[in-house]
This record gives sequence, C-alpha cells and structure tokens, in this order.
Amino acid sequence: EAQVTQNPRYLITVTGKKLTVTCSQNMNHEYMSWYRQDPGLGLRQIYYSMNVEVTDKGDVPEGYKVSRKEKRNFPLILESPSPNQTSLYFCASAAGGVYNEQFFGPGTRLTVL
Amino acid sequence: KNEVEQSPQNLTAQEGEFITINCSYSVGISALHWLQQHPGGGIVSLFMLSSGKKKHGRLIATINIQEKHSSLHITASHPRDSAVYICAPVGGETSGSRLTFGEGTQLTVNP
Repeated sequence: EAQVTQNPRYLITVTGKKLTVTCSQNMNHEYMSWYRQDPGLGLRQIYYSMNVEVTDKGDVPEGYKVSRKEKRNFPLILESPSPNQTSLYFCASAAGGVYNEQFFGPGTRLTVL
Repeated sequence: KNEVEQSPQNLTAQEGEFITINCSYSVGISALHWLQQHPGGGIVSLFMLSSGKKKHGRLIATINIQEKHSSLHITASHPRDSAVYICAPVGGETSGSRLTFGEGTQLTVNP
C-alpha cells in the first residue's frame, strides 16, 4: 500500500530534550516536506526537499533541522524543543514537486512542556 | 495578513444541499490544491488544478487564475463530507517549490 508513515504519532516531552520525528514514504517520491498546523494559523511549511541531499527552508524553519540522506526518509529534528513548538506536524511527499498530488502522513501531535 | 483567504470559515448544511467553498489569493499563482482534512486529522488531496474545472464524483473544483479565485463545490452533500477543506496555491510569489495554505473551511453536514 502506497503510504507516508510518521513516528511517533503522539509525543510529550520537556523543553530542551532533543527529539526526532521520522517520516518515510514507499512511493519513490522525489519531493518531501514538513508542515506544522496550529489553530488560527493553518498549515505552514517548515522545510522541504526536492531530492536526496537537497533541502530548503519553508516559511517557519527556526528551531528545526532536517536531513535527506535516503530518498524514502525525511526526518524532522528538534535540537532543543521549546513550548512554542507544541503543534500538530505533518510530513508529505509527491512525485516531482508541488505541482503533483501531495500525499500526507497521519500527523504527529507534539507537546513540549 | 494571510495572502490566502477562504470563505466561509464555518459552514453548516443539511444533507442534500449544494455546498460552495471559496478561495481567494492576493499573489499571482500557476496552480492550486484543494485538500480535505478528516475529523481524525488525516489530510488527503482532492484536486490540483491550473485552469478551468475538474470533477470527481460529487466534488467539482474551478479556478480562474487571472481573477485569483477558486471554488470547491459539493453536490448532494452527505454527513460523511463533514471535514475541513483547505486550499493551497502554488507558484508565483509563493515560490515554485513551496505551498501556502488557507486557514480552512470547517464543513458540517447534518442528516
């Protein structure tokens, strides 16, 4: 089954404790992206990747890191999480880029205390 | 100010009604996505269009790039259509590799 998976689905952590949210897709998509969703602000793009070893900032990259060492994986790293990073996070992938159908992961609800 | 505006923000309808959700954007774009977010949080892509109209089942999406406006229509609405509908313009000043999103329209269809 074609899908985008994220882990963990739910995470409660404390300020400053490094964490990684994994994202994996099995559709051989070149394009992968991370979004956060907050009430009243909607979805906002954090980072995106056009292909392996190619990443770029979205609208809200501060406090986040990403890497794209393999085509299927695009982990989101929070080196020192803060409470303002409490949010619902989505990973997405697409063949080619944003002009094609976007496939979203199930979401990761992160709470930083 | 968000460069993408959706209206209405909330919409309640009776089963069987015709639904229209609008999306306006302030910058030039070349295409637009319509997404559906289920009550459980999952997001699925409904349409990507750059001109004219697309139809899938009871859903119809239209776009006028020059007028900076797109609409999503649902014919014969059903309670299972209850979800948040989000538009996402592509290209232009938002950059060809990035998506900008409207805040979404919460649709509730009552039986």
